[in-house]
Amino acid sequence: DAGVTQSPTHLIKTRGQQVTLRCSPKSGHDTVSWYQQALGQGPQFIFQYYEEEERQRGNFPDRFSGHQFPNYSSELNVNALLLGDSALYLCASSAAGAMNTEAFFGQGTRLTVV
Amino acid sequence: KQEVTQIPAALSVPEGENLVLNCSFTDSAIYNLQWFRQDPGKGLTSLLLIQSSQREQTSGRLNASLDKSSGRSTLYIAASQPGDSATYLCAVNEKLTFGTGTRLTIIP
Repeated sequence: DAGVTQSPTHLIKTRGQQVTLRCSPKSGHDTVSWYQQALGQGPQFIFQYYEEEERQRGNFPDRFSGHQFPNYSSELNVNALLLGDSALYLCASSAAGAMNTEAFFGQGTRLTVV
Repeated sequence: KQEVTQIPAALSVPEGENLVLNCSFTDSAIYNLQWFRQDPGKGLTSLLLIQSSQREQTSGRLNASLDKSSGRSTLYIAASQPGDSATYLCAVNEKLTFGTGTRLTIIP
């Protein structure tokens, strides 16, 4: 059983560009959440997708947007990249939109904005 | 607004010792609490999930407790090994709110 997979693993972009990160959830999971982790900090919640809809959103600007596909995979898009967007982006999946289910994380995408 | 704190930020202990990591949260109305470990530059590995109705969970050498009334959780690691060296993070609820973690180093 493949766990949560993210692609790419590393990415370098120039300030002002746009980027798309991808996530495939663990088998049997239908809920995908995205987090941003700056160096030395805990992950910060960006948003969560369930049934192809954004269900919850953290305190991130509209430059951060996402999508969930019918197969439950998800994309995170960031427009007009800033140097401060450099971080490890983590995807987590869980099951059935329930409150008490365990979240599983991918290995992350390291984004560097230069 | 829920806030999660982990103290200390870093901890070094000799191999073989038992140790306790602490996690505190400000809003006791939580659904669950989850402990993770993170190796440098890597993703998070789930260790234990405690639901709000539970007081503790055990997995191997790990035991996590939850006291909602005091807003605290602890992760107990028995007979520590060098491979336990990592950053340990706790997080609450489905929209995971994380602490900043405790960086644990086990000295051989």
